[in-house]
Formats: sequence, C-alpha cells, structure tokens
Amino acid sequence: QKEVEQNSGPLSVPEGAIASLNCTYSDRGSQSFFWYRQYSGKSPELIMSIYSNGDKEDGRFTAQLNKASQYVSLLIRDSQPSDSATYLCAVRGYKYIFGTGTRLKVLA
Amino acid sequence: DAGVTQSPTHLIKTRGQHVTLRCSPISGHKSVSWYQQVLGQGPQFIFQYYEKEERGRGNFPDRFSARQFPNYSSELNVNALLLGDSALYLCASTSTRAGGPLYEQYFGPGTRLTVT
Repeated sequence: QKEVEQNSGPLSVPEGAIASLNCTYSDRGSQSFFWYRQYSGKSPELIMSIYSNGDKEDGRFTAQLNKASQYVSLLIRDSQPSDSATYLCAVRGYKYIFGTGTRLKVLA
Repeated sequence: DAGVTQSPTHLIKTRGQHVTLRCSPISGHKSVSWYQQVLGQGPQFIFQYYEKEERGRGNFPDRFSARQFPNYSSELNVNALLLGDSALYLCASTSTRAGGPLYEQYFGPGTRLTVT
C-alpha cells in the first residue's frame, strides 16, 4: 500500500464545473495535509493546507479532511482552463510524503 | 518578499561527475528540505535541515549529502552521478514560526539536472 495515494487521472471536467480530487493516506499519525498545484515544467505551488477535520475554504478551493477515514479531498468550484495542472497531495507525519498527483484537464 | 531561490536552473553533467545545487530559503524560514522529482512522480524527500542540523533523511544513497549554512541557505551535493539521478531537484522552505501557518512548505523553481 502506498503511503499517499491519488488517482493519476486525467480527470476531465467542463469549464465552470466542480472538480473533485481525492487522496488517501496510510499513517494515522499524520498531522498536516497540503494540496499543491504543479504546471508542466514548473515547481509545485502550495494552494491549501488543512490540519483539522472538516472543510476549509479559500476562494474557489475547498479542502476537506476526514482523519478517521484517512481521506483528504480538494474541490475546485467554477473550474477554469487555467486550473489544468497536476494536483499533488502531501501529508506530514515525521516527514512530508507526496502522492504521485492527479492530472486535471478543464475543457473550454 | 523574495521566494525560495535555487541555482543553477539547469545543469548537464556526465556520469561519474559531482554536482552541487544551491538554495536560499524565504527570509525568516529556518528549515530547508530537498526533494527529487522524476517525471510522472511526486517529489521524493531527500533531506531536511533545521538550524543547520539534519532533521530527516529519505531513502537515498550516501552519494547524496547536504548542509545548511548560518544564513539558512543550503547545498545539496551528489557524487558519482548516475543516469538515474536525472531529475528535477526541488528545495522547499518551511515556516516554523509559532503563531503562523506551521509546516507549510514553499518550493523554489527547481534545478533540472540531466546526467548523460
């Protein structure tokens, strides 16, 4: 079992729709959870962090955390073609562990 | 404020050579981590340094080493380069300031290393 799992995609959504990205993790001791966006050929950019169970909203982005189910998700509302990128889930226990990323394609 | 800076941007080396990559963290950040990212994979943790001390090491061979300087900048050294070392090397700066967003990591632009 991978420590942090993501569906590699691609996940294709039409412009204006909600994109839902999911991530599961294996270490129950993990304390901090992050979502990064990575455009092709660029470095990862932090877009959301979440530490407590529940939802955290920032603009068009909502991160959801369920520690009991070891599950983190990212919702992107009103998806735009500029949101097309790979989204990396990262989990911090004693070190940071990244998933392999989900490639999102927003179709104009 | 300036973000994380890394140098060089690109590098081409031959098998068996040695390489040094450099990183300067965000002002006020005392922790620096190094990652290796190959195409199609997430970043893989190599090292973390905090206050000039190694605080974590990933599953990489001893050919990889790093250090952090008094100004919190850092170097990653790789000896005896192999073709498989070709990757994007990322430096991340972490906020550890009480009262702030703990443990958020911010990445530099990376160094693209090609080993031929």
